[in-house]
Amino acid sequence: QVQLQESGPGLVRPSETLSLTCAVSAYSISSASYWGWVRQPPGKGLEWIGSIFHTGITFYNPSLKSRLAISVDTSQNHFSLKLTSVTAADTAVYYCVRGGGPTGLFGLWGQGTLVTSSS
Amino acid sequence: DIVMTQSPDSLAVSLGERATFNCKSSQSVSNRSNNKQYLAWYQQKPRQPPKLLISWASTRESGVPDRFSGGGSGTGFTLTITSLQAEDVAVYYCQQYFSVPYTFGQGTNVEI
Repeated sequence: QVQLQESGPGLVRPSETLSLTCAVSAYSISSASYWGWVRQPPGKGLEWIGSIFHTGITFYNPSLKSRLAISVDTSQNHFSLKLTSVTAADTAVYYCVRGGGPTGLFGLWGQGTLVTSSS
Repeated sequence: DIVMTQSPDSLAVSLGERATFNCKSSQSVSNRSNNKQYLAWYQQKPRQPPKLLISWASTRESGVPDRFSGGGSGTGFTLTITSLQAEDVAVYYCQQYFSVPYTFGQGTNVEI
C-alpha cells in the first residue's frame, strides 16, 4: 500500500526557511507520477503549493514561486519542500501528495504535518 | 487564477436524507477539445487528510460508494449524497485542475 509521510520541524521562526521532506513507501518515486505539496491553514481551506516529476519538471503556484523550491531525490525515494522568508501566514498543516502535475488531481495524501511560524 | 466558490458553507441533513451542494468557478473549467470537465471533489473528515472522491466532475474513484454523485459543466457543479450516512460527516471541497494554479473552493461542512 503506497504511503506518504511528511517530516520536518514543527516550528520555524519568521523570515527563516521552512523545510519538509516526504518519504514515499511501497512505490517508486521514479514511476510515472507527479509529487507535490498542499497546505491548509488552521481552520481554513486548501492551497496547492507546487508539484514535481522525478525528472525535475516542476509546477509551482505563482503566488509562492519566488520563495519556493521543490526537489526530488530518487535514490532516497523522497521529495522535499523549501519555502523561504516565512511569515505567520505560512502557518499551516502541510500535506505531501501524489499528483498535481498536468492532470492536476491529488489522488493520495500524507497525514499532514503542522508547521507554525512564530518567534 | 480561477476562483472556486462553494455553497452553502454549512449544511445539516438528517440521516438517510439527500444532501446537495454546489461549486461555481469564476471561468469555465471545460475543455472543448475533449468535452471534459476539470473538476474534482474531495472529502475531508475530522483530523484526516482530504480524500479524492470524484474526478472529471462525475467519475467516482474506486471504492467510493455510489450514493455520491457529481454533475455539472462549464462553471457550475454539484455533489449529491443521496442517502446521508453518519460516516459522511465531513467538509467537502471542490477543486479545478483546468489551469495552474490549481485552486480549491472554501469547503462545505456537512453535519447530521
